[in-house]
Amino acid sequence: QKEVEQNSGPLSVPEGAIASLNCTYSDRGSQSFFWYRQYSGKSPELIMFIYSNGDKEDGRFTAQLNKASQYVSLLIRDSQPSDSATYLCAVAGGSQGNLIFGKGTKLSVKP
Amino acid sequence: DGGITQSPKYLFRKEGQNVTLSCEQNLNHDAMYWYRQDPGQGLRLIYYSQIVNDFQKGDIAEGYSVSREKKESFPLTVTSAQKNPTAFYLCASSPDSPRGYTFGSGTRLTVV
Repeated sequence: QKEVEQNSGPLSVPEGAIASLNCTYSDRGSQSFFWYRQYSGKSPELIMFIYSNGDKEDGRFTAQLNKASQYVSLLIRDSQPSDSATYLCAVAGGSQGNLIFGKGTKLSVKP
Repeated sequence: DGGITQSPKYLFRKEGQNVTLSCEQNLNHDAMYWYRQDPGQGLRLIYYSQIVNDFQKGDIAEGYSVSREKKESFPLTVTSAQKNPTAFYLCASSPDSPRGYTFGSGTRLTVV
């Protein structure tokens, strides 16, 4: 059973701080990794994807991938109250490449 | 604008009833998916389809059925065999694997 693990949180950070969200996965053959943001009662929206080892930056967001450690993370710089949401890590796995989702980490940014 | 439309937004089902959730996309994506989300749980895959007239069971297909007669449409029927159907249902599509999914706005189903 391929698994994606996330700390459920809640993770609480003050406004302006860096929020660090972590994810581990079990399938060593996974090639593609995604971060989704989900506000309460809403559907997930894609915010970052990463395929290669290392860092990928997009605005205040940085995704980090370490395939050797089977670890992917999301850093949010200058966190804002509007960043308060649940963040889902997803990994492309299985023979069809379907996404496998973690249970999500709830982030709370305090003003 | 291109996107995925799910309807209805809220749906109430009586015991023993079958209900159908609609999912339509105009993104020209080949693959479509149905997920179920329960409070505190991740997304669990119900069914997926990579091409018209073909679909596969996901992890929790029991009590559900789907069809894929058109590329744009992937309706999900929740049958009376599904004993605990109250959940948030999400439809998604992708151009091909492995790509990120685009999600619809979801249907919240409640048993009354």
